[in-house]
Amino acid sequence: GDSVTQMEGPVTLSEEAFLTINCTYTATGYPSLFWYVQYPGEGLQLLLKATKADDKGSNKGFEATYRKETTSFHLEKGSVQVSDSAVYFCALRRSSASKIIFGSGTRLSIRP
Amino acid sequence: DAGITQSPRHKVTETGTPVTLRCHQTENHRYMYWYRQDPGHGLRLIHYSYGVKDTDKGEVSDGYSVSRSKTEDFLLTLESATSSQTSVYFCAISESMDPNTEAFFGQGTRLTVV
Repeated sequence: GDSVTQMEGPVTLSEEAFLTINCTYTATGYPSLFWYVQYPGEGLQLLLKATKADDKGSNKGFEATYRKETTSFHLEKGSVQVSDSAVYFCALRRSSASKIIFGSGTRLSIRP
Repeated sequence: DAGITQSPRHKVTETGTPVTLRCHQTENHRYMYWYRQDPGHGLRLIHYSYGVKDTDKGEVSDGYSVSRSKTEDFLLTLESATSSQTSVYFCAISESMDPNTEAFFGQGTRLTVV
């Protein structure tokens, strides 16, 4: 079945450091890929998405590129801020399914 | 913000009692989902609905049932709560089955079974 695998956290970085959170997926066909973010005490909200191979999603300084050859969708940011502290979820959705499949989440903490 | 309201936001209940969580949306979206969030497991799908009276099971559906009698409401029932069902429950909605369509999430319900 479909699945999403994320790097385990927690990840702790200093402010202005470079961030990478790894995400790989298993799915039949050509899913759309998403990154969601969950701030403390809140529900999830969409951070960015990519709908086909080689697409790059971007938002708030975060980027992720849909790599079909490596079945990956790694999240990156060049310079993190304290306000980026949150839990990040990678997710996929296939064209023939209603379901949205999430990874286990990666908790990110940024030190001032 | 998408109009999704979960109720209650917090609940403590005793083992063996029935519990119903409610998700109400004002967006007229067709698809609705119930997930549970647990440390180390991320979000796992319990049940979902693709229309009024149309529901299907997710990966962790045992011990849960759902109902959708109106477009705007999706109810999750724990028939006889167990301690393993202590979790944070999230409702989500989506406008269509188009894979490019994002899901919108409610604020969550923290359920504790003692």
